[in-house]
Amino acid sequence: DGGITQSPKYLFRKEGQNVTLSCEQNLNHDAMYWYRQDPGQGLRLIYYSQIVNDFQKGDIAEGYSVSREKKESFPLTVTSAQKNPTAFYLCASSMGRGELFFGEGSRLTVL
Amino acid sequence: EDKVVQSPLSLVVHEGDTVTLNCSYEVTNFRSLLWYKQEKKAPTFLFMLTSSGIEKKSGRLSSILDKKELFSILNITATQTGDSAVYLCAGAFYGGATNKLIFGTGTLLAVQP
Repeated sequence: DGGITQSPKYLFRKEGQNVTLSCEQNLNHDAMYWYRQDPGQGLRLIYYSQIVNDFQKGDIAEGYSVSREKKESFPLTVTSAQKNPTAFYLCASSMGRGELFFGEGSRLTVL
Repeated sequence: EDKVVQSPLSLVVHEGDTVTLNCSYEVTNFRSLLWYKQEKKAPTFLFMLTSSGIEKKSGRLSSILDKKELFSILNITATQTGDSAVYLCAGAFYGGATNKLIFGTGTLLAVQP
């Protein structure tokens, strides 16, 4: 079945460590997104990519990095520069200006 | 500053009740308004509203957009326990070739048997 796969579902890291969250889609969508969800704050956009080898910062990009080397893949790296990385991270994709389809999410906890 | 505000923040009803969830928005270069249902993890798409005054329906759910008042509602009739979820509203604005969405904080709906 077509969809978006995020991994890992749960991740623990120590302070000062970088961690990479995987996002793969087989929907043949051009655009991919990363959102962060915190309690009481809704979803906030971290980065998005409209085409391969191109991406733009969202509203809260500081401390994060992404790459888009393949259409299917849009990994997110949470760096040690991110001050408060504990959160639920959601990856999404869309075709043009259509609705976004979301993955199951990755929950990152910093110990 | 662009923003989307949902109300109420939470709601508890009994099975069979009808509920109305509210979403107001202030979005520059507004394109459309979207509703999602989030039960545990992945938000699932419900509606995309682009035109004012045209109701969209899917089973017991319906939604309408008022672009003059910058407002949308999501109605759920004959609620069931399976409707329990967080309902997210998002405003989409022109961001080039794709949608850039601004999400509200969501409404937590609990349907009791």
